[in-house]
This record gives sequence, C-alpha cells and structure tokens, in this order.
Amino acid sequence: DGGITQSPKYLFRKEGQNVTLSCEQNLNHDAMYWYRQDPGQGLRLIYYSQIVNDFQKGDIAEGYSVSREKKESFPLTVTSAQKNPTAFYLCASSSRGEPIAQYFGPGTRLTVL
Amino acid sequence: AQKVTQAQTEISVVEKEDVTLDCVYETRDTTYYLFWYKQPPSGELVFLIRRNSFDEQNEISGRYSWNFQKSTSSFNFTITASQVVDSAVYFCALSDFSGNTPLVFGKGTRLSVIA
Repeated sequence: DGGITQSPKYLFRKEGQNVTLSCEQNLNHDAMYWYRQDPGQGLRLIYYSQIVNDFQKGDIAEGYSVSREKKESFPLTVTSAQKNPTAFYLCASSSRGEPIAQYFGPGTRLTVL
Repeated sequence: AQKVTQAQTEISVVEKEDVTLDCVYETRDTTYYLFWYKQPPSGELVFLIRRNSFDEQNEISGRYSWNFQKSTSSFNFTITASQVVDSAVYFCALSDFSGNTPLVFGKGTRLSVIA
C-alpha cells in the first residue's frame, strides 16, 4: 500500500543527545515536509523540500537539520541545540504541481528526559 | 502573509447534536486552496476536504458539510448528527494555488462528542 511511514512511533532522548526521526514515502511525491505539534499550538513548519538535494527552512528551523538525498526519504535530526524538543513530529508529502492535499504520516512522539 | 484562525479551542456536544467548527483565513493571494483535516487520538492527520478559491459552492459529504464564503474569508465545517467517533481535533489549513508549498494551519478545534 502507498503511504508515508515514520519511525519510531515513540522516542526518548537524554538531554544533549542528537536524535534522527525517519520519514519514508512510496507515493512518488516530490515535496516533503516536517511539522512540529505542541498542545494548543497547531502545526508549525520546521523544514520542507520540494526536490531532491534541496530544502528550505520553515518557521521554527533552529535546532533542527534535514537531508534529502533520495526522493522517498526526508529524515529530521533534532540536535542538542533545540531548547524544547519534546513534541509530536509529523511528516507529510505532496505531489509537485498537482494541487492535491498533503498526506501525513502517523507521527513520532519525542520525549526528552 | 497567510494566516488561519480557529477561534474555538474546544467544543463539547451531546451525541446527535449538530456542530459547526469555524475557520477564518487571511491571504493576499487571489487564488488559493483551503483544507480541513481531522486528527483522531491516534495522532495521524486525515484529509477531509480541499476547496479552491474559485468554487464557493457548499459541499456535503454524508454528515459533513462545508460552507465557503469568500466575502467573509470563512470556511466553516458542520457535522450533522454528531457521533462519538467524531471526537478529534480538527484543523483548517490554507495553501497557495500551486499546492506544493507548506500549508498554513490554524491551531485546531478539539471536538468532544459525549454519548
């Protein structure tokens, strides 16, 4: 089945450690996105990529990094520079030039201990 | 700049009641898309509807209906005869007409339907 997978579903990290969240899609979508969700804050954009080997910062990129070496994959690294990393992280993808909705993965809940 | 406002933070209704979720948006674009997503307790966002700015016809899908009014920059969502399974957080979102740029989301409305 086509879709977006995120792993792991739950992730625990000690303060000061970097951690990488996985996002894979087999929808052949060009664009991929990372959003962060905090209670009562809605979804805020971290990074997005419209094409392989290219990506742009979103509204809250500080303390995060991404790569887009393959069309299917858009991993997000939460670095130790991110002050409040505990949140729910959602990955999405959409097809370039086709005005369809963004489709979302199941999310990863990151907790910093 | 684009902005989406969902003024209702939380709503509680009794099963079988009708409920309307409000969405007001701001954009300088003359063409754009509006969306509604549902986020059940599992966390995954489920796409409900996309509406382009050219089409102000109301849409109905089963118990769901959407009222798009460009004159008031609103895109409201009504659930008729609500059910417990409708309990979720609902997000309204806005994008430019390419559809290939990040969505701008409202903060969401948490709907609780009580049996």
